[in-house]
Amino acid sequence: DAGVTQSPTHLIKTRGQHVTLRCSPISGHKSVSWYQQVLGQGPQFIFQYYEKEERGRGNFPDRFSARQFPNYSSELNVNALLLGDSALYLCASSSRDYNEQFFGPGTRLTVL
Amino acid sequence: ILNVEQSPQSLHVQEGDSTNFTCSFPSSNFYALHWYRWETAKSPEALFVMTLNGDEKKKGRISATLNTKEGYSYLYIKGSQPEDSATYLCAFGYRGSQGNLIFGKGTKLSVKP
Repeated sequence: DAGVTQSPTHLIKTRGQHVTLRCSPISGHKSVSWYQQVLGQGPQFIFQYYEKEERGRGNFPDRFSARQFPNYSSELNVNALLLGDSALYLCASSSRDYNEQFFGPGTRLTVL
Repeated sequence: ILNVEQSPQSLHVQEGDSTNFTCSFPSSNFYALHWYRWETAKSPEALFVMTLNGDEKKKGRISATLNTKEGYSYLYIKGSQPEDSATYLCAFGYRGSQGNLIFGKGTKLSVKP
């Protein structure tokens, strides 16, 4: 079975641009969470979606948004990119709230 | 602010050594404690999910214990091998979070042949 997949693998943007990151969960999983990991830190929670509804939001500015589609895949959008948004963005899926989360390989975003 | 601390930050051992790491987390509103193994350029791999005080889990040479009352978990690796080299992350899940996790910064383990 395929694990969690994310695209693209790497991305380079300039300040002020917009970016969309994509995630496909494990088949049968209805919950998707997004995390940001900057160098030297642990992953930090951004959003969780379950059954297409937002169930949780971390301490991130409104420039960050996400959505979940009927097939349970998800997009993370970041507007007006800042240098500080450079990070690895991880997506995790689980069958439901509070269950074990399985992670994708991440998207490495570099903002110049 | 909920905080998860891991120690040591990094560890260098010789092949065959046994080693252990510590994860400290808030003792209130506990739901679950997760351990992940993360190799460079790969996805974090789930090792254990622990939910009950006194839980002990084992997978091959790796084991973990949990003390929710005092807010700590230990991860043990017996007879370290070079392929155990990775960053080991612990993550705290609390009631009301819908299962979303607060991660520590990880312990980076390097095992020399």
